[in-house]
Amino acid sequence: QKEVEQDPGPLSVPEGAIVSLNCTYSNSAFQYFMWYRQYSRKGPELLMYTYSSGNKEDGRFTAQVDKSSKYISLFIRDSQPSDSATYLCATKTDGTASKLTFGTGTRLQVTL
Amino acid sequence: NAGVTQTPKFRILKIGQSMTLQCTQDMNHNYMYWYRQDPGMGLKLIYYSVGAGITDKGEVPNGYNVSRSTTEDFPLRLELAAPSQTSVYFCASRGATGDQPQHFGDGTRLSIL
Repeated sequence: QKEVEQDPGPLSVPEGAIVSLNCTYSNSAFQYFMWYRQYSRKGPELLMYTYSSGNKEDGRFTAQVDKSSKYISLFIRDSQPSDSATYLCATKTDGTASKLTFGTGTRLQVTL
Repeated sequence: NAGVTQTPKFRILKIGQSMTLQCTQDMNHNYMYWYRQDPGMGLKLIYYSVGAGITDKGEVPNGYNVSRSTTEDFPLRLELAAPSQTSVYFCASRGATGDQPQHFGDGTRLSIL
């Protein structure tokens, strides 16, 4: 079993839709949760970063972590064609030297 | 405002050749990482470094070597390139405290034929 599971998609939605992207993880020691956005032929860029359970909102993006069910989500409101990218969830344990564990990424296409 | 810079962006190698992928960061970050990204497989950690002179293996280190002589630079060396090393390679860095996120370069696309 992979430590972080993510549906690879592709997910296609019309412009203006609400998008829900999800990951599950197995290691209860994970404390930090991240969402990276990766455009084609570019490196991952940090989109959202949360610690422990709860919600975090930044403009049209909301990250949600439920540690009891080991489930992390990213919601995109009013999706735009510019949101078309691959979204990678990542997580890590506490500790200075801890390393990131990534999901495989979900490819999102927002159509006009 | 360069961040993490990787060179070259693209390269084609023949089997058995060697090359060095360059990575430099201007954020004075202690931690640096090398990943490879294969289709449908996510990012796999090859090597990482916690500071100049200190490196350690990640999940998939075989066939690669690294060095860290300065804080800024973290080159990745491929010796005796094999087709299985065809991939996109990403370098990342982060600050010293545990809650700092990683920042990525734009990658090197490497094909080995």
